[in-house]
Amino acid sequence: DVKVTQSSRYLVKRTGEKVFLECVQDMDHENMFWYRQDPGLGLRLIYFSYDVKMKEKGDIPEGYSVSREKKERFSLILESASTNQTSMYLCASCSAPPYEQYFGPGTRLTVT
Amino acid sequence: LAKTTQPISMDSYEGQEVNITCSHNNIATNDYITWYQQFPSQGPRFIIQGYKTKVTNEVASLFIPADRKSSTLSLPRVSLSDTAVYYCLVGDMNTGFQKLVFGTGTRLLVSP
Repeated sequence: DVKVTQSSRYLVKRTGEKVFLECVQDMDHENMFWYRQDPGLGLRLIYFSYDVKMKEKGDIPEGYSVSREKKERFSLILESASTNQTSMYLCASCSAPPYEQYFGPGTRLTVT
Repeated sequence: LAKTTQPISMDSYEGQEVNITCSHNNIATNDYITWYQQFPSQGPRFIIQGYKTKVTNEVASLFIPADRKSSTLSLPRVSLSDTAVYYCLVGDMNTGFQKLVFGTGTRLLVSP
């Protein structure tokens, strides 16, 4: 059974803290994604990666960075967390067409 | 990627057929149409994908008219477990994932 796992289901951080969200997939997928999901706004793409050490900005990259040192692992970094980054963060991966994305369960991050 | 418009919510009863329409007026020639389903506290799950006419799998059917400016996800004989949010995604992921936009989705409530 294919699986995408995220390091935490719930996370509470303080404003200004550095936050790491980790995602691991076991399907040998080339492509990995980070989204945030907010009520009324749907899913919005933050960053994605085509391959190890490759990264591309999505629709809302400001305030975030990513790291992909190994094919199976894609990390989202909030250098200095702010309250407007309180959200649900979803990681996904996919391979060749039809680019069916497999999602993790999500991390609900609260920044206080 | 083409912007999509879906109804915010729909209600149905068990055993009925449900049709959810997505409008994508500026769809490009190479864009595909993909639908995802999301249950509470879970990441989205791929349902179906199509380019034109009709596609059917064990879960749903996807109807796409000749002009491709809209598409309809059809769920036959829904059950309570089909209560979820359904997202329409339009794009040509062969050329990249920039601006991947899921939209706000349609919240389907199935009642007994």
